[in-house]
Amino acid sequence: GNSVTQMEGPVTLSEEAFLTINCTYTATGYPSLFWYVQYPGEGLQLLLKATKADDKGSNKGFEATYRKETTSFHLEKGSVQVSDSAVYFCALSDYGGATNKLIFGTGTLLAVQP
Amino acid sequence: DAGITQSPRHKVTETGTPVTLRCHQTENHRYMYWYRQDPGHGLRLIHYSYGVKDTDKGEVSDGYSVSRSKTEDFLLTLESATSSQTSVYFCAISDPRGRANVLTFGAGSRLTVL
Repeated sequence: GNSVTQMEGPVTLSEEAFLTINCTYTATGYPSLFWYVQYPGEGLQLLLKATKADDKGSNKGFEATYRKETTSFHLEKGSVQVSDSAVYFCALSDYGGATNKLIFGTGTLLAVQP
Repeated sequence: DAGITQSPRHKVTETGTPVTLRCHQTENHRYMYWYRQDPGHGLRLIHYSYGVKDTDKGEVSDGYSVSRSKTEDFLLTLESATSSQTSVYFCAISDPRGRANVLTFGAGSRLTVL
């Protein structure tokens, strides 16, 4: 079945450091790919998405490119801030039945220190 | 939270008791979902609904039932709670007419089963 694998955390960085969180997927067909972010005590929020190969999703300085050849969707940011501290989830859409569902990775905790 | 309200937000109960979690939306979205979040597992789909009285099972549906008698309400019931159902439960909604596959999440309900 379809699945998502993302790097385990926690990832601890200093402010202004470069961030990469790896995400790879297994899927049949051509799923859409997503990054969601969860700030402490809150629900998940969509960070960015890409719907087809070579698409780049971007938001709030974060970027991820849909790479079909490597089945990857790595999250990057050039300069992280303390306010970026959160749990990041990679996800893919799973078409089947009467609706579309999302399959999530296990999440990666990012802690940014001043 | 984009018009999604979960109740209760926190609940402590004892093994063997029934529990019902409620998700209420004001967005008139067709699709609603219940996920549980556990360390090391990310988010896993319990049940979902694609319309009034139309529901289906997700990957971890054992021990849970759902009902949707109105577009705006999606109830998750644990008939006889067990300690393994201690978790944070998230409701989500999506609208296939708009940003397909994008889920909007509620703030979560933390359930502790003693």
